[in-house]
Amino acid sequence: EAGVAQSPRYKIIEKRQSVAFWCNPISGHATLYWYQQILGQGPKLLIQFQNNGVVDDSQLPKDRFSAERLKGVDSTLKIQPAKLEDSAVYLCASSLGGSSGNTIYFGEGSWLTVV
Amino acid sequence: GNSVTQMEGPVTLSEEAFLTINCTYTATGYPSLFWYVQYPGEGLQLLLKATKADDKGSNKGFEATYRKETTSFHLEKGSVQVSDSAVYFCALSDEASGSRLTFGEGTQLTVNP
Repeated sequence: EAGVAQSPRYKIIEKRQSVAFWCNPISGHATLYWYQQILGQGPKLLIQFQNNGVVDDSQLPKDRFSAERLKGVDSTLKIQPAKLEDSAVYLCASSLGGSSGNTIYFGEGSWLTVV
Repeated sequence: GNSVTQMEGPVTLSEEAFLTINCTYTATGYPSLFWYVQYPGEGLQLLLKATKADDKGSNKGFEATYRKETTSFHLEKGSVQVSDSAVYFCALSDEASGSRLTFGEGTQLTVNP
């Protein structure tokens, strides 16, 4: 079974530029997540989708971050304009459902460096 | 709100030593508890989980027991190997937050031959 796919794996951009990350979850997984992991810290949830609807985006900096999952399958996370503090690994993850106890499967991450 | 506290790292052990990484939590309701592992340059992988009190999760020689009375989920392994070198994250989800995970800060483990 294919895992969660993410691209690109690595990206270096200058501050105030824009960047987009793509994620394809495990087939059949209704729930998709984007987490931000700053070096030396645990991942923090940015946004959660259930099919093509947003369940929780309370921690998403909406002035610069946006995400969509238009057809309820793959998803794109965009940052515009980027700031230095956005340097992090962006982890996409998916699970069968959205209830507690569901196992969440993570992709390998997209590493962003903002210079 | 929910929170997870892990023992401070990094932890350095010799091969075949006993490993304990402490994890305590604060949660509303009855959480499910997880340990994830992150090898260098890779994403997070589920190591084990427990969904109710007194459950023991186990995988690859690692174990953790869900202790509600002490709100803990300590990770243990009897004999570590060099290949266990990684960052270990304790995490929880609960009914209020659904499947969303709250993570601890992670503990870096280095095992020397």
